[in-house]
Amino acid sequence: QKEVEQNSGPLSVPEGAIASLNCTYSDRGSQSFFWYRQYSGKSPELIMSIYSNGDKEDGRFTAQLNKASQYVSLLIRDSQPSDSATYLCAVNRVRGNEKLTFGTGTRLTIIP
Amino acid sequence: GAVVSQHPSWVICKSGTSVKIECRSLDFQATTMFWYRQFPKQSLMLMATSNEGSKATYEQGVEKDKFLINHASLTLSTLTVTSAHPEDSSFYICSASPGAGRETQYFGPGTRLLVL
Repeated sequence: QKEVEQNSGPLSVPEGAIASLNCTYSDRGSQSFFWYRQYSGKSPELIMSIYSNGDKEDGRFTAQLNKASQYVSLLIRDSQPSDSATYLCAVNRVRGNEKLTFGTGTRLTIIP
Repeated sequence: GAVVSQHPSWVICKSGTSVKIECRSLDFQATTMFWYRQFPKQSLMLMATSNEGSKATYEQGVEKDKFLINHASLTLSTLTVTSAHPEDSSFYICSASPGAGRETQYFGPGTRLLVL
């Protein structure tokens, strides 16, 4: 089992709809969770961080964390073509150690 | 805030030469910096973790004598690819973390290396 798993996609969503990206992790002791966006040919860009169970909203983005089920998700409301990118889920497994374990990413395409 | 720069953004070199890539945290002090490599259409691969003032910790399978890492200050880490070969051609990305219990990593824009 991979430490951090994501569906590689591609995930196609119509413009204006909600895009839902999911991530599961294997280490139950994981502490911190991050979503990064990576455009083709560019480096990753931090979108959201979440540390506690529940939802965290930032503009059109909502991160959801369920530690009991070991999954974290990212919802993108009112999807725009500019949201088309690869979304990376990252997990910090050891508090105080900044090393992150990344999933392989989900490629999202917003269809105009 | 949380800006990380890399220099150069791209480099072309001949096989056998060495290439140095700089990573700087511009508006925060980074106790820890990370070096990643990414081949086309593949995921990020962590190469090493760099802590200021101490030796880097390399991931399994990464040759520490080939990829020299120096973290001389809280705002600067360098990666030197020694005796580069065409198979070292890749996208090298650094990230920096403020530390102090905040595990967020902020990525630099990356350096594209092409070895001829």
